[in-house]
Amino acid sequence: EVHLVESGGGLVQPGGSLRLSCATSGFTFSNYAMSWVRQAPGKGLEWVSSVFGSGSNTYYADSVKGRFTISRDNSKNTLYLQMNSLRAEDTALYYCAKEGAAGGLGYFQNWGQGTLVTVSS
Amino acid sequence: DIVMTQSPDSLAVSLGERATINCKSSQSVLSSSDSKNSLAWYQQKPGQPPKLLIYWASTRESGVPDRFSGSGSGTDFTLTISSLQAEDVAVYYCQQYYTTPNTFGQGTKLEIK
Repeated sequence: EVHLVESGGGLVQPGGSLRLSCATSGFTFSNYAMSWVRQAPGKGLEWVSSVFGSGSNTYYADSVKGRFTISRDNSKNTLYLQMNSLRAEDTALYYCAKEGAAGGLGYFQNWGQGTLVTVSS
Repeated sequence: DIVMTQSPDSLAVSLGERATINCKSSQSVLSSSDSKNSLAWYQQKPGQPPKLLIYWASTRESGVPDRFSGSGSGTDFTLTISSLQAEDVAVYYCQQYYTTPNTFGQGTKLEIK
Protein backbone atom coordinates (compact mmCIF):
# COMPACT_ATOMS: atom_id res chain seq x y z
CA GLU A 1 0.00 0.00 0.00
CA VAL A 2 1.25 3.46 -0.94
CA HIS A 3 1.94 5.83 1.94
CA LEU A 4 2.89 9.49 1.67
CA VAL A 5 3.61 11.43 4.86
CA GLU A 6 4.39 15.13 4.73
CA SER A 7 6.20 17.07 7.43
CA GLY A 8 7.98 20.37 7.96
CA GLY A 9 5.10 22.81 7.89
CA GLY A 10 4.62 25.53 10.46
CA LEU A 11 4.35 29.24 11.13
CA VAL A 12 6.94 31.41 9.42
CA GLN A 13 7.31 35.15 8.97
CA PRO A 14 7.08 36.76 5.55
CA GLY A 15 10.42 36.47 3.81
CA GLY A 16 11.30 33.35 5.76
CA SER A 17 12.07 29.82 4.64
CA LEU A 18 10.76 26.32 5.26
CA ARG A 19 11.67 22.89 3.98
CA LEU A 20 8.89 20.38 3.50
CA SER A 21 9.51 16.65 3.34
CA CYS A 22 7.40 13.78 2.09
CA ALA A 23 8.38 10.31 3.22
CA THR A 24 7.07 7.57 0.99
CA SER A 25 6.65 3.80 1.04
CA GLY A 26 4.84 1.04 -0.76
CA PHE A 27 6.12 1.66 -4.29
CA THR A 28 9.35 1.99 -6.26
CA PHE A 29 9.94 5.67 -5.56
CA SER A 30 12.52 6.28 -8.28
CA ASN A 31 10.11 5.10 -11.00
CA TYR A 32 7.55 7.83 -10.40
CA ALA A 33 7.37 11.56 -10.82
CA MET A 34 6.25 13.31 -7.66
CA SER A 35 4.51 16.61 -7.12
CA TRP A 36 3.48 19.19 -4.56
CA VAL A 37 -0.06 20.55 -4.70
CA ARG A 38 -1.35 23.18 -2.29
CA GLN A 39 -4.71 24.33 -1.05
CA ALA A 40 -5.19 27.69 0.60
CA PRO A 41 -7.73 27.72 3.45
CA GLY A 42 -11.22 27.32 2.03
CA LYS A 43 -9.92 27.42 -1.55
CA GLY A 44 -9.30 25.03 -4.42
CA LEU A 45 -6.30 23.00 -5.50
CA GLU A 46 -3.19 24.56 -7.02
CA TRP A 47 -0.33 22.58 -8.53
CA VAL A 48 3.01 23.87 -7.22
CA SER A 49 5.85 21.76 -8.57
CA SER A 50 6.79 18.37 -10.03
CA VAL A 51 9.96 16.36 -10.42
CA PHE A 52 10.66 13.34 -12.59
CA GLY A 53 11.77 10.08 -11.03
CA SER A 54 15.43 10.64 -11.76
CA GLY A 55 15.29 14.16 -10.34
CA SER A 56 16.68 15.54 -13.57
CA ASN A 57 13.60 17.44 -14.69
CA THR A 58 11.71 19.86 -12.51
CA TYR A 59 8.68 22.04 -13.13
CA TYR A 60 7.21 24.97 -11.22
CA ALA A 61 4.11 27.09 -11.16
CA ASP A 62 4.83 30.70 -12.10
CA SER A 63 3.68 31.75 -8.63
CA VAL A 64 6.61 29.96 -6.96
CA LYS A 65 9.29 29.93 -9.67
CA GLY A 66 12.57 31.28 -8.38
CA ARG A 67 11.50 30.93 -4.73
CA PHE A 68 10.74 27.21 -4.33
CA THR A 69 12.96 24.25 -5.18
CA ILE A 70 11.72 20.69 -5.50
CA SER A 71 14.12 17.80 -5.02
CA ARG A 72 14.16 14.15 -4.13
CA ASP A 73 16.43 11.61 -2.51
CA ASN A 74 15.73 8.27 -4.15
CA SER A 75 17.94 6.48 -1.63
CA LYS A 76 15.64 7.71 1.16
CA ASN A 77 12.36 7.53 -0.83
CA THR A 78 11.75 11.13 0.16
CA LEU A 79 10.52 14.21 -1.68
CA TYR A 80 11.38 17.75 -0.61
CA LEU A 81 10.21 21.30 -1.20
CA GLN A 82 12.53 24.11 -0.19
CA MET A 83 10.49 27.27 0.14
CA ASN A 84 12.28 30.63 0.35
CA SER A 85 11.08 34.23 0.35
CA LEU A 86 7.71 33.10 1.65
CA ARG A 87 4.71 35.36 1.23
CA ALA A 88 1.33 35.52 2.91
CA GLU A 89 -0.25 34.08 -0.23
CA ASP A 90 1.83 30.92 0.19
CA THR A 91 -0.25 30.05 3.25
CA ALA A 92 -1.82 26.70 2.45
CA LEU A 93 -2.01 23.01 3.14
CA TYR A 94 0.74 21.43 1.07
CA TYR A 95 0.08 17.95 -0.29
CA CYS A 96 2.62 15.53 -1.64
CA ALA A 97 1.23 13.55 -4.58
CA LYS A 98 2.39 10.54 -6.57
CA GLU A 99 1.82 10.31 -10.29
CA GLY A 100 -0.49 7.62 -11.57
CA ALA A 101 1.75 6.27 -14.28
CA ALA A 102 5.42 5.43 -14.08
CA GLY A 103 7.73 7.71 -16.00
CA GLY A 104 5.71 10.79 -16.75
CA LEU A 105 3.64 13.66 -15.47
CA GLY A 106 -0.07 13.16 -15.31
CA TYR A 107 -2.84 12.59 -12.85
CA PHE A 108 -2.27 12.24 -9.11
CA GLN A 109 -3.08 8.74 -7.97
CA ASN A 110 -2.04 9.02 -4.33
CA TRP A 111 -2.00 11.94 -1.91
CA GLY A 112 -0.60 12.52 1.55
CA GLN A 113 -2.59 14.13 4.35
CA GLY A 114 -0.80 17.44 3.89
CA THR A 115 1.30 19.76 6.02
CA LEU A 116 0.13 23.26 6.87
CA VAL A 117 2.29 26.27 6.07
CA THR A 118 1.25 29.58 7.58
CA VAL A 119 3.09 32.75 6.57
CA SER A 120 2.31 35.54 8.96
CA SER A 121 4.03 38.14 11.12
CA ASP B 1 -2.10 28.05 -19.32
CA ILE B 2 -5.20 25.94 -19.84
CA VAL B 3 -8.10 27.27 -17.80
CA MET B 4 -10.53 24.71 -16.40
CA THR B 5 -14.05 25.91 -15.65
CA GLN B 6 -16.51 23.76 -13.76
CA SER B 7 -20.26 24.16 -13.58
CA PRO B 8 -22.18 24.51 -11.46
CA ASP B 9 -20.22 25.84 -8.47
CA SER B 10 -22.60 23.98 -6.17
CA LEU B 11 -25.23 21.36 -6.62
CA ALA B 12 -27.92 19.83 -4.40
CA VAL B 13 -29.31 16.46 -5.43
CA SER B 14 -31.72 14.08 -3.71
CA LEU B 15 -30.50 10.72 -2.51
CA GLY B 16 -30.75 8.15 -5.28
CA GLU B 17 -30.93 10.77 -8.01
CA ARG B 18 -28.35 11.55 -10.69
CA ALA B 19 -25.73 14.22 -10.20
CA THR B 20 -23.91 15.78 -13.14
CA ILE B 21 -20.88 18.04 -12.97
CA ASN B 22 -19.40 19.70 -16.03
CA CYS B 23 -15.85 20.75 -16.77
CA LYS B 24 -14.73 22.83 -19.73
CA SER B 25 -11.12 23.44 -20.75
CA SER B 26 -9.97 26.58 -22.57
CA GLN B 27 -8.22 24.40 -25.15
CA SER B 28 -8.40 20.79 -26.17
CA VAL B 29 -6.75 18.21 -23.93
CA LEU B 30 -7.11 15.45 -26.52
CA SER B 31 -3.84 14.00 -27.71
CA SER B 32 -3.70 13.35 -31.45
CA SER B 33 -1.04 10.69 -30.99
CA ASP B 34 -3.01 8.32 -28.78
CA SER B 35 -6.56 9.79 -28.85
CA LYS B 36 -6.55 10.08 -25.06
CA ASN B 37 -8.02 12.99 -23.14
CA SER B 38 -5.72 14.10 -20.32
CA LEU B 39 -8.49 14.82 -17.86
CA ALA B 40 -8.95 13.57 -14.28
CA TRP B 41 -11.64 13.93 -11.64
CA TYR B 42 -11.07 14.05 -7.88
CA GLN B 43 -13.34 13.90 -4.85
CA GLN B 44 -12.43 15.80 -1.68
CA LYS B 45 -14.37 15.28 1.51
CA PRO B 46 -14.00 17.75 4.42
CA GLY B 47 -10.70 17.38 6.24
CA GLN B 48 -9.38 14.83 3.76
CA PRO B 49 -6.97 14.96 0.83
CA PRO B 50 -8.35 14.66 -2.69
CA LYS B 51 -9.10 11.17 -3.95
CA LEU B 52 -8.65 10.17 -7.59
CA LEU B 53 -11.92 9.00 -9.16
CA ILE B 54 -11.43 9.10 -12.93
CA TYR B 55 -8.46 9.51 -15.27
CA TRP B 56 -8.08 9.65 -19.05
CA ALA B 57 -11.54 11.25 -18.87
CA SER B 58 -13.40 7.98 -18.45
CA THR B 59 -11.21 5.36 -16.74
CA ARG B 60 -12.43 4.64 -13.24
CA GLU B 61 -9.74 4.29 -10.59
CA SER B 62 -9.57 0.92 -8.87
CA GLY B 63 -12.00 0.70 -5.97
CA VAL B 64 -14.19 3.58 -7.10
CA PRO B 65 -17.88 2.60 -7.16
CA ASP B 66 -19.34 2.14 -10.62
CA ARG B 67 -21.98 4.80 -9.97
CA PHE B 68 -19.19 7.27 -10.81
CA SER B 69 -18.52 7.72 -14.52
CA GLY B 70 -16.67 10.21 -16.68
CA SER B 71 -17.34 11.21 -20.26
CA GLY B 72 -16.46 13.82 -22.84
CA SER B 73 -13.68 14.69 -25.21
CA GLY B 74 -11.68 17.65 -26.42
CA THR B 75 -12.80 20.55 -24.25
CA ASP B 76 -16.04 19.38 -22.64
CA PHE B 77 -16.25 16.76 -19.92
CA THR B 78 -18.78 15.43 -17.46
CA LEU B 79 -18.66 13.56 -14.17
CA THR B 80 -21.85 11.67 -13.46
CA ILE B 81 -22.94 10.02 -10.24
CA SER B 82 -25.78 7.78 -11.30
CA SER B 83 -27.47 7.35 -7.92
CA LEU B 84 -26.33 9.74 -5.22
CA GLN B 85 -25.38 8.27 -1.87
CA ALA B 86 -24.92 10.17 1.38
CA GLU B 87 -21.18 9.47 1.34
CA ASP B 88 -20.81 11.26 -1.99
CA VAL B 89 -21.16 14.67 -0.34
CA ALA B 90 -17.90 16.35 -1.23
CA VAL B 91 -16.21 18.88 -3.46
CA TYR B 92 -15.30 17.56 -6.91
CA TYR B 93 -12.44 18.87 -9.02
CA CYS B 94 -11.44 18.28 -12.61
CA GLN B 95 -7.78 18.53 -13.64
CA GLN B 96 -6.06 18.66 -17.00
CA TYR B 97 -2.63 17.07 -17.31
CA TYR B 98 -2.24 17.61 -21.05
CA THR B 99 0.34 20.30 -20.49
CA THR B 100 2.35 21.93 -17.73
CA PRO B 101 1.24 23.70 -15.66
CA ASN B 102 -1.45 21.17 -15.05
CA THR B 103 -4.51 23.00 -13.81
CA PHE B 104 -7.60 22.30 -11.75
CA GLY B 105 -11.14 23.52 -12.01
CA GLN B 106 -12.44 25.70 -9.19
CA GLY B 107 -14.42 22.84 -7.67
CA THR B 108 -18.09 21.89 -7.43
CA LYS B 109 -19.65 21.40 -4.02
CA LEU B 110 -22.16 18.55 -4.01
CA GLU B 111 -24.77 18.40 -1.27
CA ILE B 112 -27.88 16.41 -0.47
CA LYS B 113 -31.22 18.06 -1.22
